[in-house]
Amino acid sequence: AQSVTQLDSHVSVSEGTPVLLRCNYSSSYSPSLFWYVQHPNKGLQLLLKYTSAATLVKGINGFEAEFKKSETSFHLTKPSAHMSDAAEYFCVVSLLVGFQKLVFGTGTRLLVSP
Amino acid sequence: DAGVTQSPTHLIKTRGQQVTLRCSPKSGHDTVSWYQQALGQGPQFIFQYYEEEERQRGNFPDRFSGHQFPNYSSELNVNALLLGDSALYLCASSPGDRRSSYNSPLHFGNGTRLTVT
Repeated sequence: AQSVTQLDSHVSVSEGTPVLLRCNYSSSYSPSLFWYVQHPNKGLQLLLKYTSAATLVKGINGFEAEFKKSETSFHLTKPSAHMSDAAEYFCVVSLLVGFQKLVFGTGTRLLVSP
Repeated sequence: DAGVTQSPTHLIKTRGQQVTLRCSPKSGHDTVSWYQQALGQGPQFIFQYYEEEERQRGNFPDRFSGHQFPNYSSELNVNALLLGDSALYLCASSPGDRRSSYNSPLHFGNGTRLTVT
């Protein structure tokens, strides 16, 4: 079955330092993968998506992710964290089961300290 | 360009009651999906509506039902509420064409926070 595993439930960084949020996927075919961000009491906002084009995907707010098939990973990175990046981040795999269904990871809470 | 809108934003109900949540999709989208997000967890797929029909559903009991109207808006109904139904209910919209929808990200509303007491 297709799924995603987010390896860290919480990640703490200092403002201005790099961010790494890890995600591994399981899929029997070439997947579509997304990263979504959720700020407190808000809905989900798309950060970026991978759809079998370039393996390095650039998203909004300086985030990017690299698809590595050999490692079945899709880690999210940002060179320099900002206080406003503090939120919950979800790695998501898109399944085409006659229609599009998203399977979410359990989420990683990013904490950014001054 | 209005995004996905959901109403109400918050709702408190008692066990055994029934609730209806509403969603208007993003302009140009004709497919609506509903997700349940329990506290501290990722969203779980409930079902999806396209052309006013339920196209697929996740592992949720029949107490969860829905409807889609000709203007593509949608309702989620939950009967006989349980304490465990307390969650953030998210609506997401997307274009319905299957060739494009696989790679098309869903657009989410801000959700309805349901509390069952």
